[in-house]
Amino acid sequence: QVELVESGGGVAQPGGSLRLSCVASGFIFRTYGMYWVRQAPGKGLEWMAVVSHDGHNKYYADSVSGRFTVSRDNSKNTLYLQMDSLRVGDTAVYFCAKDGGYCSSVTCPIGDHYYYSGMDVWGQGATVTVSS
Amino acid sequence: SYELTQPPSVSVSPGQTARITCSGDALSKEYVYWYQEKTGQAPVMVIKKDSERPSGIPERFFGSSSGTRATLIISRAQAEDEADYYCQSVDSSRSHGWVFGGGTKLTVL
Repeated sequence: QVELVESGGGVAQPGGSLRLSCVASGFIFRTYGMYWVRQAPGKGLEWMAVVSHDGHNKYYADSVSGRFTVSRDNSKNTLYLQMDSLRVGDTAVYFCAKDGGYCSSVTCPIGDHYYYSGMDVWGQGATVTVSS
Repeated sequence: SYELTQPPSVSVSPGQTARITCSGDALSKEYVYWYQEKTGQAPVMVIKKDSERPSGIPERFFGSSSGTRATLIISRAQAEDEADYYCQSVDSSRSHGWVFGGGTKLTVL
């Protein structure tokens, strides 16, 4: 079945770095956009970043732009989130999620236009705590 | 603006109909998606593209959208529907990115 499994969470000091990974299975990873979404303790969902199926297009929330970097390795079915210059306010559960959209062509080649359509599969989340 | 506004809480009696609203300028141009999050679990998409039900979602879940307002309707509400519900949309220009509403706690009692 379709599954996303995050790893790499933990404790970091303010100003430090962490890298989250999300391993996908059960679908053709290279043909879907992927997201990172976080949820601070007791708070709502907050979109962080999205990367297109081929890794060429990336968008970030203002709160993490310039500090976080999303990437993917389609040969390993893995999504990444490199988090640098961490702040106490980055403490949250981080979810990866699969987009439910599609490419403009069946083969979904690199550079193909992609149509986004919401987050149809979610991982269980990885906890990140930033504290001194 | 590219904010989505939801009521913090909605209560419904078992068997009755719950309505959760979501308002924002983005909705006049883009689809809305709805997610259910139960305590300690990952979110689940319950409505996509304003009104479509993903596979496996009960027929009791409906979605509608008109202008800058969308509504999630849960008919014949059950105890298992008690959860936080989030609407989500996107800025078509991508300059503001993707956005979630603040979430609505649905209580079935």
